[in-house]
Amino acid sequence: KQEVTQIPAALSVPEGENLVLNCSFTDSAIYNLQWFRQDPGKGLTSLLLIQSSQREQTSGRLNASLDKSSGRSTLYIAASQPGDSATYLCAVTTLGAQKLVFGQGTRLTINP
Amino acid sequence: DTAVSQTPKYLVTQMGNDKSIKCEQNLGHDTMYWYKQDSKKFLKIMFSYNNKELIINETVPNRFSPKSPDKAHLNLHINSLELGDSAVYFCASSQAYNWGGSYEQYFGPGTRLTVT
Repeated sequence: KQEVTQIPAALSVPEGENLVLNCSFTDSAIYNLQWFRQDPGKGLTSLLLIQSSQREQTSGRLNASLDKSSGRSTLYIAASQPGDSATYLCAVTTLGAQKLVFGQGTRLTINP
Repeated sequence: DTAVSQTPKYLVTQMGNDKSIKCEQNLGHDTMYWYKQDSKKFLKIMFSYNNKELIINETVPNRFSPKSPDKAHLNLHINSLELGDSAVYFCASSQAYNWGGSYEQYFGPGTRLTVT
């Protein structure tokens, strides 16, 4: 059974810092991995999707990496801004299981 | 041009009532999903439909019944609502998994259900 863990559960950093959010999964037989952002009381915004054959994806100040064999992904946020404050969720699609399995998220606060 | 829409956004009701949540996607996707986000913010799959056929039912009480009138719509009907059903329910869609695409899932804005 696929399990996804995100560490840390919460992170608070000053504006301008670069930071890394971590995601690990127990079953390396995945189809893809998605990073989402969720603002309080809002829905999910897809940030990056990495296919199992890819090592990383970049979008603006965000870079997500995937090491399938070790069951790990990281989300790197460069030059953080207060507007980046949100909960970041990692989710994987396991081969043969047509669903996303989510981690519990990292609540990120960027202090001005 | 909303991709995945849900109605209503908020739903407050009493225990024992029956309620429905509607979901529509205009992305031309074949697969749709319902997820539940509990009070601890943990998101978990409930159902998945592929081209109007149920393909995933994750041990959800049979008080919950999804209905897909066509591949662009997936509604969630809940009978005899209980306090523990209070949560945020998200609808999502993606391409069908046998099409060799990225299968990125797109989420609706969520429906916050409060049972009193």
